[in-house]
Amino acid sequence: SQQGEEDPQALSIQEGENATMNCSYKTSINNLQWYRQNSGRGLVHLILIRSNEREKHSGRLRVTLDTSKKSSSLLITASRAADTASYFCATAPREAAGNKLTFGGGTRVLVKP
Amino acid sequence: GAGVSQSPRYKVAKRGQDVALRCDPISGHVSLFWYQQALGQGPEFLTYFQNEAQLDKSGLPSDRFFAERPEGSVSTLKIQRTQQEDSAVYLCASSTQGGTEAFFGQGTRLTVV
Repeated sequence: SQQGEEDPQALSIQEGENATMNCSYKTSINNLQWYRQNSGRGLVHLILIRSNEREKHSGRLRVTLDTSKKSSSLLITASRAADTASYFCATAPREAAGNKLTFGGGTRVLVKP
Repeated sequence: GAGVSQSPRYKVAKRGQDVALRCDPISGHVSLFWYQQALGQGPEFLTYFQNEAQLDKSGLPSDRFFAERPEGSVSTLKIQRTQQEDSAVYLCASSTQGGTEAFFGQGTRLTVV
């Protein structure tokens, strides 16, 4: 079963608005990653934040991590229609071999032009 | 190759049939992962290879599922006596040794009828 819970499950916004989604997880982690999945396509890595980091930026993306609350948030600023996709958080547990990822259920984002 | 390649993209199997799904990872990537993604959910880990060694198969749902990577490059996920609950998208991902970013293929959508 999946470790993470994502909130909200779905989000509909207008182009130009910001989109925020949250992820909670259960076990100790090495890092937390966010992926995007367009309809019928594979997952694309967006950003990684390590357990000793609190905030990270990449272009229009901002990720925060609160290990005391076992939660993370992804903010997409100035959204575009092309940002329409499902967004998944994924954690890499400390004890796992390799980089085995545990995914949340995803947030489906619709950006209306 | 340029990315992770999976074949076939779509597979329809009659219940009870055996299927084989192929994954060509990025050249030189040591780590290879298989995930199962049910409709509307996040991917769930199935199994992990480092080169030809299968180091973790804890996510395989039953003994009908078998994966191999005999030469440490191409991998095959085999499902015997398929059941309707096996219907899902099967995703393959690869990464460098010690790498944190996983590169995903576009997946194989399996429908068992």
